[in-house]
Amino acid sequence: DGGITQSPKYLFRKEGQNVTLSCEQNLNHDAMYWYRQDPGQGLRLIYYSQIVNDFQKGDIAEGYSVSREKKESFPLTVTSAQKNPTAFYLCASSTWTGDNYGYTFGSGTRLTVV
Amino acid sequence: GQNIDQPTEMTATEGAIVQINCTYQTSGFNGLFWYQQHAGEAPTFLSYNVLDGLEEKGRFSSFLSRSKGYSYLLLKELQMKDSASYLCAVRGTNAGKSTFGDGTTLTVKP
Repeated sequence: DGGITQSPKYLFRKEGQNVTLSCEQNLNHDAMYWYRQDPGQGLRLIYYSQIVNDFQKGDIAEGYSVSREKKESFPLTVTSAQKNPTAFYLCASSTWTGDNYGYTFGSGTRLTVV
Repeated sequence: GQNIDQPTEMTATEGAIVQINCTYQTSGFNGLFWYQQHAGEAPTFLSYNVLDGLEEKGRFSSFLSRSKGYSYLLLKELQMKDSASYLCAVRGTNAGKSTFGDGTTLTVKP
């Protein structure tokens, strides 16, 4: 079955440490996105990518980095420059032009600073 | 940019009908989506509107008025499992990106 796989489900980060969140899709979608969700709030866009080897900053890109070396993969690195990284991170994908079904989401990674 | 407003919380009774409103201001519009999100889980797609009018899908319906920047999600015959957060999202004309409202937490009571 096609879908998006995020790993790990839970992640703990120490102060000053970089961590990488994995996102893999087998839907043959061109576009991929990373969103952050804080308690009681909606989703805020971190980075997005329309094609391989190209990506753009979203609304809250500071302290994050991404790569898109393969169509299927869009990993997110949370760097030590991100001062408040504790949140629920969601990866999503869609066709490049968008369609009637919006995003397909992964199951999310819950990141906690310890 | 985009600005999306929806009520923070709503409560309704099992078997009843509830309407969740969403207003938006946008610099580019390419569709409005409603997603359902249960606590601790990822959002799942409910409905899509790009033209004015009502779209019906089983117990769920969604309405759009582009001239008014307004949408609503209508849930009929409420069930306990409908207790969740409902997210309104507007897709812009740039790269298929969507901007999300903060969500409406619906509690269904017996």
